[in-house]
Amino acid sequence: GNSVTQMEGPVTLSEEAFLTINCTYTATGYPSLFWYVQYPGEGLQLLLKATKADDKGSNKGFEATYRKETTSFHLEKGSVQVSDSAVYFCALSVNTGNQFYFGTGTSLTVIP
Amino acid sequence: SQTIHQWPATLVQPVGSPLSLECTVEGTSNPNLYWYRQAAGRGLQLLFYSVGIGQISSEVPQNLSASRPQDRQFILSSKKLLLSDSGFYLCAWSVPAGVNYNEQFFGPGTRLTVL
Repeated sequence: GNSVTQMEGPVTLSEEAFLTINCTYTATGYPSLFWYVQYPGEGLQLLLKATKADDKGSNKGFEATYRKETTSFHLEKGSVQVSDSAVYFCALSVNTGNQFYFGTGTSLTVIP
Repeated sequence: SQTIHQWPATLVQPVGSPLSLECTVEGTSNPNLYWYRQAAGRGLQLLFYSVGIGQISSEVPQNLSASRPQDRQFILSSKKLLLSDSGFYLCAWSVPAGVNYNEQFFGPGTRLTVL
């Protein structure tokens, strides 16, 4: 079946620290992969995406590479800011179905 | 451009009362529509999705129901709310399956508190 396993949180980092949030997946068919961000009290916003193996999605200093050999899509940022404090969701979709599959979310808090 | 609206933004309801949450999408035709619930500090739970008018798929048995009376309108309802229905309700849309990728676009959410 299709599923996403995401690194457990919460994660607390100091400003300018390096961030990695791990995400691995299982999929029937050929998935597209996504990272969403949810700020407090808001809906989810698409952060970045990758649609085929070895693609790198990037946005706002965040990046993730679609690794088919390890079925992973880890989120990274070189220097986090307080404004990056949010919940991050890894997700996949397959073009043979109509559903999205989300990880459980990882809460990130960045302290000054 | 496409936009998605949800209302109300917040709602406080007594146990046993009815519920109606509305979601509308603008700027696209024949979208897939989704209702999710997010309990406090938890992940997303898919409740319903719809691939067309009058077509509803339920993912979790519960006292909630969904309807799609128009192409771009999706309604979440309950006849009698339970305490466990409290949460953050998110509506989302996507293009139909078959496109190379079908990312989902989320509304701002409705915070429901059942007392």
